[in-house]
Amino acid sequence: DTEVTQTPKHLVMGMTNKKSLKCEQHMGHRAMYWYKQKAKKPPELMFVYSYEKLSINESVPSRFSPECPNSSLLNLHLHALQPEDSALYLCASSQEPPGAGGNIQYFGAGTRLSVL
Amino acid sequence: GDSVTQMEGPVTLSEEAFLTINCTYTATGYPSLFWYVQYPGEGLQLLLKATKADDKGSNKGFEATYRKETTSFHLEKGSVQVSDSAVYFCVLLRDGGYQKVTFGIGTKLQVIP
Repeated sequence: DTEVTQTPKHLVMGMTNKKSLKCEQHMGHRAMYWYKQKAKKPPELMFVYSYEKLSINESVPSRFSPECPNSSLLNLHLHALQPEDSALYLCASSQEPPGAGGNIQYFGAGTRLSVL
Repeated sequence: GDSVTQMEGPVTLSEEAFLTINCTYTATGYPSLFWYVQYPGEGLQLLLKATKADDKGSNKGFEATYRKETTSFHLEKGSVQVSDSAVYFCVLLRDGGYQKVTFGIGTKLQVIP
């Protein structure tokens, strides 16, 4: 099983709302990732968690707040977003954290976020 | 820094045609190389991988060979189907150190009946 599950699939929110994206994997992977993908562009890395600790933050604005409650779950808390934050948000996981050779990332189907 | 260059597309082919999507890379050391596929409205799926020079990755009729001498990892398929219509990303993962993946721009493939 190489499944990464993301909920919800679609989310519409206003600029004053607070919402959360959820990601779950049961493969025993030690690293989890958040990516942002705009239309017709490749994914851009936002955050990496290794062993449930934040290891990489790609200078993401503070209106995006990641959380890793346990080794299987990854959340992305959203607050005061802007319309330009509308995108597909992808979660991924890998067996080993960044630094291990040939590390394959497995992606979820994504949450399509629209900010009005 | 690391970079991946792939043809932008879109690539439009008739069913059963031969497919080549070019990918070249720039990186130090011995990176691992991947092809991911993204179907409309979905996340990315790993299509195939190669972790060292001369490795050939293959899956679902797709193949790619890791060519260190030409720093390339071109994707090929002998006979495409309408269901292959998707966006294909060439991806590099540097070995050791900070292993941020580097994505190519993505090539949209449209297969017409």
